[in-house]
Amino acid sequence: DTGVSQNPRHKITKRGQNVTFRCDPISEHNRLYWYRQTLGQGPEFLTYFQNEAQLEKSRLLSDRFSAERPKGSFSTLEIQRTEQGDSAMYLCASSLSIMASGLSTDTQYFGPGTRLTVL
Amino acid sequence: AQRVTQPEKLLSVFKGAPVELKCNYSYSGSPELFWYVQYSRQRLQLLLRHISRESIKGFTADLNKGETSFHLKKPFAQEEDSAMYYCALKRRNTPLVFGKGTRLSVIA
Repeated sequence: DTGVSQNPRHKITKRGQNVTFRCDPISEHNRLYWYRQTLGQGPEFLTYFQNEAQLEKSRLLSDRFSAERPKGSFSTLEIQRTEQGDSAMYLCASSLSIMASGLSTDTQYFGPGTRLTVL
Repeated sequence: AQRVTQPEKLLSVFKGAPVELKCNYSYSGSPELFWYVQYSRQRLQLLLRHISRESIKGFTADLNKGETSFHLKKPFAQEEDSAMYYCALKRRNTPLVFGKGTRLSVIA
């Protein structure tokens, strides 16, 4: 499977514990995005990387959240001291950002998500 | 601020009937608009984007800048079209902003 993969697919944890999720993008993609989706909502942007550089972070990303993409390939999203409000589906997407005729084309391909439940 | 509104949470139509999923956006510039679809137990996937001006699985969407809309249409609904549909917007080099989604249910 050459699509975006995410691990684990499900995570149940107790409040106060730390969790880490992994995303493996499509191999030639230079951009990687993290989104969060709660019930009845569309995905909400958290942060994104171009290669290993973290270019933008949403205000949704509190200090308890940290994301890395150390070699410009896979990425990890860590949540420290989890709270019940962190329960959600965490989605990863990747894209190949190229400039053609001054326009950026940037179709995002999504992974299956990691469903986090904080008890 | 950018915003995407999908006014219908659920849309039920009979097989063979026309479908229109509404999407309105607020953004003062020239955005890129997308429709993503999520079938049961599958990942979110791109259905179509306005700059491609294409028809995918019989669906089309036209960007109407005057009405700031990007409605998704299909003349004859099929049962396999039942899914969750998300409209999304982005500016150049920014992340996607999604609507809350519309669940389409096609009744046989």
